[in-house]
Amino acid sequence: EIVLTQSPGTLSLSPGERATLSCRASQSVSSSYLAWYQQKPGQAPRLLIYGASSRATGIPDRFSGSGSGTDFTLTISRLEPEDFAVYYCQQYGGSPLWTFGQGTKVEIK
Amino acid sequence: EVQLVQSGAEVKKPGESLKISCKGSGYSFPNYWIGWVRQMPGKGLEWMGIIYPGDSDTRYSPSFQGQVTISADKSISTAYLQWSSLKASDTAMYYCARHIGYSGYEAFDYWGQGTLVTVSS
Repeated sequence: EIVLTQSPGTLSLSPGERATLSCRASQSVSSSYLAWYQQKPGQAPRLLIYGASSRATGIPDRFSGSGSGTDFTLTISRLEPEDFAVYYCQQYGGSPLWTFGQGTKVEIK
Repeated sequence: EVQLVQSGAEVKKPGESLKISCKGSGYSFPNYWIGWVRQMPGKGLEWMGIIYPGDSDTRYSPSFQGQVTISADKSISTAYLQWSSLKASDTAMYYCARHIGYSGYEAFDYWGQGTLVTVSS
């Protein structure tokens, strides 16, 4: 099983600040197979980034993804009030086919 | 507009059976894989399995193999997740999600609103 470890567990920031979220895989993951999701309380997850760096339809350009191999990053350039949420990375490959990281909560400082 | 609409919340007793649904619209339902994801109360996301409605090809996570059954009826654009004997530990929110479908990429681009399953005696 490919294990994804996200850090930090919680990120306390103010609106307008930059957020940098990390996702580290226990073994190499194809960039094409790495995605990021946002989940707000009481809502379903929303796809933000696929293929490690491609924004999904309708996602603002303040969200960007980067990385390769075992280290991937989601960056939110300037936090808007609606960006405070939990973020998950996800990978495809191995068994089980898809795994998620444990999540990073971005909270208002 | 692509939509996945899931069936409503369920309250069941241990040992009971249950089948929840996920109806797709706004796209060619048979041609996109549909996955199921569990979220236990206050916890993260777990991939359970996936089905291709066009031919009902199904894959399961080892953690859920034998515990649930995933099926689909392409004639009514609906996927299903079912249990034959529920346990209290099945209490969770269950999401269906459409596979992105872009060749070479792996992600889920549209999600249902979730079905809350509560199992309690």
